[in-house]
Parts: sequence; C-alpha cells; structure tokens
Amino acid sequence: GDSVTQTEGLVTLTEGLPVMLNCTYQSTYSPFLFWYVQHLNEAPKLLLKSFTDNKRPEHQGFHATLHKSSSSFHLQKSSAQLSDSALYYCALTPTGNTGKLIFGLGTTLQVQP
Amino acid sequence: NAGVIQTPRHKVTGKGQEATLWCEPISGHSAVFWYRQTIVQGLEFLTYFRNQAPIDDSGMPKERFSAQMPNQSHSTLKIQSTQPQDSAVYLCASTWGGAEQYFGPGTRLTVL
Repeated sequence: GDSVTQTEGLVTLTEGLPVMLNCTYQSTYSPFLFWYVQHLNEAPKLLLKSFTDNKRPEHQGFHATLHKSSSSFHLQKSSAQLSDSALYYCALTPTGNTGKLIFGLGTTLQVQP
Repeated sequence: NAGVIQTPRHKVTGKGQEATLWCEPISGHSAVFWYRQTIVQGLEFLTYFRNQAPIDDSGMPKERFSAQMPNQSHSTLKIQSTQPQDSAVYLCASTWGGAEQYFGPGTRLTVL
C-alpha cells in the first residue's frame, strides 16, 4: 500500500544553518506529495506541494524537489530561522489531488540561537 | 473567513462513554476529512465526505467509530464506548476540491 517515511523524529540545528528534512514514499501510482507544517498548538498548514508544472515548489524560503527515481521529496532551506521551529509532515495523496492524505510520522525541527 | 471550526476544543470522557465531535468546514468547500493525531502514530486518515456523500472510510475503526455529514455545513465524528487508546487529537479538514486541505484546530479527546 501507499506509505510515507520520515526517518528523523527530531532535527536540532543552529540558526543560519541549512535545513534538510528527509521524505521518501511508496505508492502504486504517481502520487502528489506535500509538506505540511504544524506550529505548537496550531493546526497543520500546507507548506509545499508537488505538481506537474515542472516548477520547483517554494514557500517561505523552503523548497522541495520530487525525485520519482528515488521516490523522494526532501524539504530544504538554505538558512534556518528560529521561527521555523515546528513539526513538519510529509504526505501524499494516492488518488490524484483531491483524496485523502497519507502522512509520515513527522519530523520536529528545533532551531536554536 | 473563520476557517474550519471544531467543537469542543477539549473533551474528557470516562471509559465506556460516548463522545461526539463536531466540524464546520469552510463555506463553499465540498470535501471534509477526518484525521487522528497521536505522538506514536502521527496523523492518521479516518474518513472523508465529498458533497456530503461518504467516499472513503478505510481508516475508521469499524466497531465504535462512525461519521456523518447531514448537511454541507457540518460533520460529526461519534465514538461509542470510548477507550483510553482513543485519546488523541481529532482533526477535521476541508477543501474546495483542490489539493490543499485546510485543517481545523482539532478536538483533544482524553479518555480516563
């Protein structure tokens, strides 16, 4: 079945250093991939999505590239900010772009001064 | 735009009691999703409706969980005979039909 794997439960780094959160997936078809971010005591919000326009999705300095050959959709940012501290979920929708989301277990990013 | 509204925000029940959680989707959104969030399992899909019709309930525990969407302005998730393992944050999300799902703040259910 469809699944998403996020290997890091917790990533701690110093402000200004680059961020990379790993996401790999398994799916029978060609799914759409997403990154959601959840700040403490808030609802998850969409950060990025992979779509078919061949453009690398970017938002708030974050970007991610869908690599179908390696089934990966890693999240990257060149310079971490304190406000980036949050829980990050990678997710896929296996049936086009209007169905249920299947989430990874999430990675908590802690950015320290 | 008030966003997705979920009530109550917190609910405490005793083992064996019933819990009903409410969700009001964003006006005009055609699909409503329910998810459960725990530290151990992360975010798990439960069920969803499109245009009020049930589409996929593959994530629902069959015996004690049920969901309804009687009209376009609200959906309910009912848990009968709650058990401690049902303790979680239950999240509702809605979408107009595109890829982005808008999540509500969740209902934190604690079963004692």
